[in-house]
Amino acid sequence: DSGVTQTPKHLITATGQRVTLRCSPRSGDLSVYWYQQSLDQGLQFLIHYYNGEERAKGNILERFSAQQFPDLHSELNLSSLELGDSALYFCASSVDYWWEGLTDTQYFGPGTRLTVL
Amino acid sequence: TQLLEQSPQFLSIQEGENLTVYCNSSSVFSSLQWYRQEPGEGPVLLVTVVTGGEVKKLKRLTFQFGDARKDSSLHITAAQPGDTGLYLCAGLSLDNAGNMLTFGGGTRLMVKP
Repeated sequence: DSGVTQTPKHLITATGQRVTLRCSPRSGDLSVYWYQQSLDQGLQFLIHYYNGEERAKGNILERFSAQQFPDLHSELNLSSLELGDSALYFCASSVDYWWEGLTDTQYFGPGTRLTVL
Repeated sequence: TQLLEQSPQFLSIQEGENLTVYCNSSSVFSSLQWYRQEPGEGPVLLVTVVTGGEVKKLKRLTFQFGDARKDSSLHITAAQPGDTGLYLCAGLSLDNAGNMLTFGGGTRLMVKP
């Protein structure tokens, strides 16, 4: 158990719909990261938040958005869903102090499996 | 765009054999990490290598970071069925904007008893 929790574990929805995935980081971790894992694209970085502020963006579609709340939990919102959005979505958290940057460990949650029909 | 190429993609071996997984990039990363992922779970960090030429050992696993910090390898000695899983390398890009991990495509290892 990494200490990172994600809900829901599974989500089945239809094309065009909107869903929200939730992540609670490990106690004390200020950074939250979102990743998408699909069979054809592998594990891809989407976005990084640190203490409520967006810090880095990867290959995140404009239909996707995220935020980190004052209690440090994070939500990933996916809208206008397409079949190709079906994937595993992982959240990770880390302490992310600057002087630990190079060896900062990201702890991954168990993921949310999204199926778009 | 920074890319990490992992090889082989799939590896099926008998218990007791040795194997090496390679991770190559055309770019330099601040550090390189190796993860193992089991079905239904998120990746778990095995090791981080930072310095060019660095070698780290974790029981039967040996990790090496290339001198130019663009490539890495994972060597498993006397593989066991419990080593079965997806092995991922990831390059860490660290700048003032934030941390970003770029993952390789993964190597799916199956160790048969």
